[in-house]
Amino acid sequence: SQQGEEDPQALSIQEGENATMNCSYKTSINNLQWYRQNSGRGLVHLILIRSNEREKHSGRLRVTLDTSKKSSSLLITASRAADTASYFCATDAFKGRGSTLGRLYFGRGTQLTVWP
Amino acid sequence: DGGITQSPKYLFRKEGQNVTLSCEQNLNHDAMYWYRQDPGQGLRLIYYSQIVNDFQKGDIAEGYSVSREKKESFPLTVTSAQKNPTAFYLCASSIRAKETQYFGPGTRLLVL
Repeated sequence: SQQGEEDPQALSIQEGENATMNCSYKTSINNLQWYRQNSGRGLVHLILIRSNEREKHSGRLRVTLDTSKKSSSLLITASRAADTASYFCATDAFKGRGSTLGRLYFGRGTQLTVWP
Repeated sequence: DGGITQSPKYLFRKEGQNVTLSCEQNLNHDAMYWYRQDPGQGLRLIYYSQIVNDFQKGDIAEGYSVSREKKESFPLTVTSAQKNPTAFYLCASSIRAKETQYFGPGTRLLVL
């Protein structure tokens, strides 16, 4: 079952440009997370934003969350060739009265290619 | 050196054979997860465990089985009932359910 969906599916840019990826989800959430996956490797956690936060920064990463639109964006500034990877958003699914399932829902990912 | 390990890196399965993928963590995490990833696809949850001796089915549990007898270990068995097992399998753990997940390096399962 799909909770989050990333957009676009693929993004190709030059080094130094900014990369923006979007994630939309369906139900209320407690938090939304972004992960990165290099080809053939495990995922690496990038940033977690909680439902009461609107924006969060970590180095060259900026994440925004709009709970009214059920969407989030990940901005990577001044991209480098080493940023080439797949990027996934993941959400929990808030079921009301403080209850959530003990799992995350991952989207299909955005494949980012940064050309030198 | 804390982390999560998976073995083997590559695994070959013959028709009708059960195979077991290993996942171990020394992060003292309560929750552990198994995902399947097909080429160009996202992660699909197979099974997860929030505490020792307890686990729940994910979205694609048919043809798979797990056990959680120790906090640090969550092995996945791919049974002969799983007709299309070729995929990349990822194990993850988190301190609590739905918090940040830490992933292992993955096991690629191929069918002979």
